[in-house]
Amino acid sequence: GAVVSQHPSWVICKSGTSVKIECRSLDFQATTMFWYRQFPKQSLMLMATSNEGSKATYEQGVEKDKFLINHASLTLSTLTVTSAHPEDSSFYICSARESLTGGVNTEAFFGQGTRLTVV
Amino acid sequence: KNQVEQSPQSLIILEGKNCTLQCNYTVSPFSNLRWYKQDTGRGPVSLTIMTFSENTKSNGRYTATLDADTKQSSLHITASQLSDSASYICVVRGDSSYKLIFGSGTRLLVRP
Repeated sequence: GAVVSQHPSWVICKSGTSVKIECRSLDFQATTMFWYRQFPKQSLMLMATSNEGSKATYEQGVEKDKFLINHASLTLSTLTVTSAHPEDSSFYICSARESLTGGVNTEAFFGQGTRLTVV
Repeated sequence: KNQVEQSPQSLIILEGKNCTLQCNYTVSPFSNLRWYKQDTGRGPVSLTIMTFSENTKSNGRYTATLDADTKQSSLHITASQLSDSASYICVVRGDSSYKLIFGSGTRLLVRP
């Protein structure tokens, strides 16, 4: 099946620094990718929809200046957590759908997630 | 309000036993319903995806049912294995948008 790869799988950073997380679709093209955040024992919460070649669409309450999203190609989207603080510590997951043949019933593939710890 | 509710919140069963997880949704209009398995510290992995016209779908020891009239779905796990220990998430797509509506999940623990 299709593979979505996230990198890194875990990262520890100092408060105030920025962290970039990459999401790649390895064997299909994805004009749209999604970024989620998951706190312990909770389900995934959509942060933003990443659109190739255009600005991301952010969910209500998500700071676009803090969570910078770039979708520069059909196989790569990046999420940058800027000026990270301990409360940004969470599990971040990306998802992608195949673009060319995708309809509403197309499978959504998830990356393996990135555990961010801000100290 | 579009919602997906799952029960039970957590479940402990003995290895080899069967179990059934429940999902109720109020999402309308409805496109499809998915069940995902999420191991701790990993991304979700798809088990099944069902459209309005499908009322049952199997994937190995996993069998999902869907009643679009009552807006209920279940995931039945047969002959559970230790590796089945994970969170099981019910996800509904409501319309032509790409957004998925997630349930809070059922945490399953299979004990030897």
